[in-house]
Amino acid sequence: EADIYQTPRYLVIGTGKKITLECSQTMGHDKMYWYQQDPGMELHLIHYSYGVNSTEKGDLSSESTVSRIRTEHFPLTLESARPSHTSQYLCASSDPSRTNNYGYTFGSGTRLTVV
Amino acid sequence: GNSVTQMEGPVTLSEEAFLTINCTYTATGYPSLFWYVQYPGEGLQLLLKATKADDKGSNKGFEATYRKETTSFHLEKGSVQVSDSAVYFCALASGNTPLVFGKGTRLSVIA
Repeated sequence: EADIYQTPRYLVIGTGKKITLECSQTMGHDKMYWYQQDPGMELHLIHYSYGVNSTEKGDLSSESTVSRIRTEHFPLTLESARPSHTSQYLCASSDPSRTNNYGYTFGSGTRLTVV
Repeated sequence: GNSVTQMEGPVTLSEEAFLTINCTYTATGYPSLFWYVQYPGEGLQLLLKATKADDKGSNKGFEATYRKETTSFHLEKGSVQVSDSAVYFCALASGNTPLVFGKGTRLSVIA
């Protein structure tokens, strides 16, 4: 049973549009993460947050931005979508005191296609 | 820095064959190790874990043993099924930094 929710599951939009991918979790986890997954399957960390009002850029440079105003909500925004943004986006969360024992919980992902 | 190297795929096996997916790591200190599985169209699910040397994680017939001497955490299953077709990720947790994932190995099991 998913405790972390991503919407929408699938999205097709035109170039230049602004979009927000939603991620919410009901577990009270302080840590949240966004990954971009390329067709070759590799995961690239693009943003993460260790709590409210805390955001960091990940290993992969991304034109997206994130915000963390509430513990349970970690939306990702693309101001102007381009075909190069076509990818699967995965959100995850973890309890800071339990990450090393229990890892992350992942959402089901949003598959974004920019045409 | 920390890193995870897992065997490249794709791996194609017949049903009931033995599976091994190799994973080795580089880390300072004493990391925790994980295997995640991603079924088509889904996010990642934790398959098994081990938090200290010589621990064996197991779930759904899959096993992996944390070998500190060889810095390895190979995934094994004695008899794979078609339903095991998925992408498998090895991952490492150490300190307060984000998890480090391998590049993933795609497994296809044919009947």
